[in-house]
Amino acid sequence: DAGVIQSPRHEVTEMGQEVTLRCKPISGHNSLFWYRQTMMRGLELLIYFNNNVPIDDSGMPEDRFSAKMPNASFSTLKIQPSEPRDSAVYFCASSRDYGYTFGSGTRLTVV
Amino acid sequence: AQSVAQPEDQVNVAEGNPLTVKCTYSVSGNPYLFWYVQYPNRGLQFLLKYITGDNLVKGSYGFEAEFNKSQTSFHLKKPSALVSDSALYFCAVRDQGNYQLIWGAGTKLIIKP
Repeated sequence: DAGVIQSPRHEVTEMGQEVTLRCKPISGHNSLFWYRQTMMRGLELLIYFNNNVPIDDSGMPEDRFSAKMPNASFSTLKIQPSEPRDSAVYFCASSRDYGYTFGSGTRLTVV
Repeated sequence: AQSVAQPEDQVNVAEGNPLTVKCTYSVSGNPYLFWYVQYPNRGLQFLLKYITGDNLVKGSYGFEAEFNKSQTSFHLKKPSALVSDSALYFCAVRDQGNYQLIWGAGTKLIIKP
C-alpha cells in the first residue's frame, strides 16, 4: 500500500495565482480530510468528505478555497486567487474506521 | 464540547530516561483516543490508539499509553528515550458518534544525548 499520496510536495506561487493541490487516498478508505497546518493555528480541518460527498466544509476559510472529490481515488483542493496568508502545509488524510492516515503534505508558499 | 489538552509545549528528556507526554480530553460519550508523531517536514504518523478493552495500549517504536477514564487522561510513555524520538507529538480524540478528530496543540519532545 503506497499510503496517501499528495502532490506536489512543494509549491511556490505568486499572489493572485490559482493553486491546485492533489490527493490520492488509500484504496478502500471512505473518508477523506483536508487539513492546513501553520505555526500560529496548528492543525485546522478544512473539509471532510464521506463516500466522495462533502459533509462538512465549515473549516474552509473563504470562497477562495474549494475542494472536490470526483471519485473515490482522487481529491483536489483549489485556492483561487492565492494570497500570502495561505502559505502553510496542507495535508490530506483518509480513513476507513477509527484513525486517519496522513499524506506527506504540500508545502505552499505564496509570495 | 469535545476538547483535548496537551499542557506542555515542550518536554526535554535525557536519552535513556523514561518519557511522558501528557494528554487530557473531554468528550460527551465514550472516547476514541489517538497519538500521532510528526517528524520535521513530514506528515503525521499514527503511533497508537485506544478504542476499547485493555487500558494500556502499546504502539509503534516502543511507545505505550494508558487510558485513565477517571482522570480523562491518555498520557504517552516510553521506558527509555532515544534521540530519534525527538519530534512533535499530537494527541487526538473523538467520540463514537462523531467523525471528526479533535487535536491537541502538540508537544515538542526533545531527547538530549
